[in-house]
Amino acid sequence: GQQVMQIPQYQHVQEGEDFTTYCNSSTTLSNIQWYKQRPGGHPVFLIQLVKSGEVKKQKRLTFQFGEAKKNSSLHITATQTTDVGTYFCAKGGSGGYQKVTFGTGTKLQVIP
Amino acid sequence: DTEVTQTPKHLVMGMTNKKSLKCEQHMGHRAMYWYKQKAKKPPELMFVYSYEKLSINESVPSRFSPECPNSSLLNLHLHALQPEDSALYLCASSQDSGTSTSGIQYFGAGTRLSVL
Repeated sequence: GQQVMQIPQYQHVQEGEDFTTYCNSSTTLSNIQWYKQRPGGHPVFLIQLVKSGEVKKQKRLTFQFGEAKKNSSLHITATQTTDVGTYFCAKGGSGGYQKVTFGTGTKLQVIP
Repeated sequence: DTEVTQTPKHLVMGMTNKKSLKCEQHMGHRAMYWYKQKAKKPPELMFVYSYEKLSINESVPSRFSPECPNSSLLNLHLHALQPEDSALYLCASSQDSGTSTSGIQYFGAGTRLSVL
């Protein structure tokens, strides 16, 4: 199937440093969703981006959707230990129920 | 807190056993999903039910049998599983309304399955 690639696969940062994960698709996306999965937990929805070039912010998190709607990024400013987890982007379909395909994920470790 | 409830949280079964995983949601969502997640991997879609009808089967082996008794419940019946089927099984639900937010997935905490 069509995979959605994320880089990096792993990232260790010192607490207070910034972090960015990138999501790339070979095809144009209808929308992109971002989820966070804490260690031992389940994916939790963070945000959905729909429009070309869209930028959304949630406190220290900034999400961007590329102009061509083929890539997206999540940037965390001044990481905290509570940011630890795996961040997945996910491509959805359009309308109704959706076949959601998750990206490969980026595992973030924050060193206190 | 998740509004999707999965039971049991943990399950250990032998290869000849028959067991069932259960999922319940009370958000009025009409789409429900089963995912399988292996360690250090993303969730992989197995089945999608829309308005209680099976809409997507991602070529899942017949030893996994889904069932949607009503709009709030989703079951996954397991029979003659293999050790490689050991994984975290996640249930999710979403609206099925054709709106821009209809695909947002709300996950349960999962069932951690071990097949011996």
